[in-house]
Amino acid sequence: QKEVEQDPGPLSVPEGAIVSLNCTYSNSAFQYFMWYRQYSRKGPELLMYTYSSGNKEDGRFTAQVDKSSKYISLFIRDSQPSDSATYLCAMSAISTLTFGKGTMLLVSP
Amino acid sequence: DTGVSQDPRHKITKRGQNVTFRCDPISEHNRLYWYRQTLGQGPEFLTYFQNEAQLEKSRLLSDRFSAERPKGSFSTLEIQRTEQGDSAMYLCASSSTDRAVFNSPLHFGNGTRLTVT
Repeated sequence: QKEVEQDPGPLSVPEGAIVSLNCTYSNSAFQYFMWYRQYSRKGPELLMYTYSSGNKEDGRFTAQVDKSSKYISLFIRDSQPSDSATYLCAMSAISTLTFGKGTMLLVSP
Repeated sequence: DTGVSQDPRHKITKRGQNVTFRCDPISEHNRLYWYRQTLGQGPEFLTYFQNEAQLEKSRLLSDRFSAERPKGSFSTLEIQRTEQGDSAMYLCASSSTDRAVFNSPLHFGNGTRLTVT
């Protein structure tokens, strides 16, 4: 079992839909949780960063962490075609990040 | 803030040749990371530096790979005797740290895409 599991998709939604992206993990030492967005042939770009359990909102994006279930989510409201990208969850215990495989999201106009 | 810069963007080499990549981190960041990403996978950790000290290396980093950060600023990653399996995107990232606690997220460059023929 990999430390971080993420469904690779692709996930196809119409413009305006609410998108839910998820990751599960097995290492209970993880305490820092991040979501990155990666466009084709570009490096990952940080979207959201949370510490421990709870919710964090930033514009159309909401990140949720449930440490008891070892489950994290990213919600995107009012999705736009420009949101089409690969979304990577990442988490850390102390010093290095462990990434999921990434979920490819396609938002159609 | 000019972001993390990597050079070259794309490198094509023949099997058995040596290659070297360069990373310039965000200027005030003291931590520098190297990751490798293959198609359809998330980035995999290779190694990281705090200032000029290399603090951790992944078991993925075979003895053909060597990384340096001689003055605590830019870093180089060298691959000797390249193999086709080395074909991947090599990503550099940097962060700042407060004491020993990892509380600053990583900022990535756009990577160097290596193709070994």
